[in-house]
Amino acid sequence: DVKVTQSSRYLVKRTGEKVFLECVQDMDHENMFWYRQDPGLGLRLIYFSYDVKMKEKGDIPEGYSVSREKKERFSLILESASTNQTSMYLCASSGGQAYSNQPQHFGDGTRLSIL
Amino acid sequence: AQSVTQPDIHITVSEGASLELRCNYSYGATPYLFWYVQSPGQGLQLLLKYFSGDTLVQGIKGFEAEFKRSQSSFNLRKPSVHWSDAAEYFCARIDSGYSTLTFGKGTMLLVSP
Repeated sequence: DVKVTQSSRYLVKRTGEKVFLECVQDMDHENMFWYRQDPGLGLRLIYFSYDVKMKEKGDIPEGYSVSREKKERFSLILESASTNQTSMYLCASSGGQAYSNQPQHFGDGTRLSIL
Repeated sequence: AQSVTQPDIHITVSEGASLELRCNYSYGATPYLFWYVQSPGQGLQLLLKYFSGDTLVQGIKGFEAEFKRSQSSFNLRKPSVHWSDAAEYFCARIDSGYSTLTFGKGTMLLVSP
């Protein structure tokens, strides 16, 4: 089975801090994704990556950046955390080349609170 | 932009009763369709997928879904619901030439005794 592991289930940070959310997958997948999930808004794509050192903006990239130095690891960075970034963050991965139709496999999520 | 609509925000079903969750997609060439389930505090788990071929697809946990091109629908069904099926269900699509999923807003399933 595909395993997508997010480093923290719950995280509390302060406004203005730089925050790192880490995600690791064990299936040698090419594609990795970061979403945030908010009540009434569903899942929204922040960034994705289809190869090491490659990244693409999703629907809501403002206030975020990402890093993919190794194939199995995809990090989401909040450069200067703000209270409106309090949310559930979900990481996912999928196999195949870029623009493939393979299903995405999700981690358990990180519930981030910014105080 | 291509979209996915789940018309029902909440549905309550009695345990043992049948279930149908609705999903409609906006027109697009060769959509690939998925259903995911999310239990409270957890990530999303893939229930089933439709790429092509047989329009009735079987998934895990006794779920199935039927693709109907004429109705632009991909409804999820289960003949007999168990209390452990209470969760939020998401329908999603990938369009040919794109690698990103478009999700519906989700349907919360409540199971009554």
